[in-house]
Amino acid sequence: KNQVEQSPQSLIILEGKNCTLQCNYTVSPFSNLRWYKQDTGRGPVSLTIMTFSENTKSNGRYTATLDADTKQSSLHITASQLSDSASYICVVESGTYKYIFGTGTRLKVLA
Amino acid sequence: NAGVTQTPKFRVLKTGQSMTLLCAQDMNHEYMYWYRQDPGMGLRLIHYSVGEGTTAKGEVPDGYNVSRLKKQNFLLGLESAAPSQTSVYFCASSYGTGAGNQPQHFGDGTRLSIL
Repeated sequence: KNQVEQSPQSLIILEGKNCTLQCNYTVSPFSNLRWYKQDTGRGPVSLTIMTFSENTKSNGRYTATLDADTKQSSLHITASQLSDSASYICVVESGTYKYIFGTGTRLKVLA
Repeated sequence: NAGVTQTPKFRVLKTGQSMTLLCAQDMNHEYMYWYRQDPGMGLRLIHYSVGEGTTAKGEVPDGYNVSRLKKQNFLLGLESAAPSQTSVYFCASSYGTGAGNQPQHFGDGTRLSIL
């Protein structure tokens, strides 16, 4: 069964600190892996998209890594800001039109 | 540049009533999707369209119908609403597969409650 599992479910950190979110997947076939940020009451917004051959991709303070051998990805947030408070969703595209969504990690950044 | 616009934003229905959710995109995207998001679950695909005049079933299509008469619009219909359809509905759009690995662009959702 195709699955995308994220950990932790929720996380609280202080402003300015770094954090890392995890994503493990068992999806076949694999096309690419995506990270989205979803603010409360809003739709998801794309952060990064990585293909099988890409190990790292950055978008500002967000850096995603992908290990296709172990089927693991991480999203590292550097120098967190209050505006980083959101849910972060890992998504694996499998073939055409098929996206497997994780349940997300809810991040709260405190001042 | 509005992106993906969903209407309405909120709606409360009684069991058995019908309604249509509208999604409009101004990015000339070929592909459009309807998802539902429920607590503790990832987004699940209801229906999708790969172009004007085409639609296809996703993971959870029962109880829903869709139409894509114009490229920029994708309508989701509930013919006879049931409490199990209480959810947040998201529309998304993207370029076709020929454009490479492109992100999906999401609207801000329609929050639907069925009493």
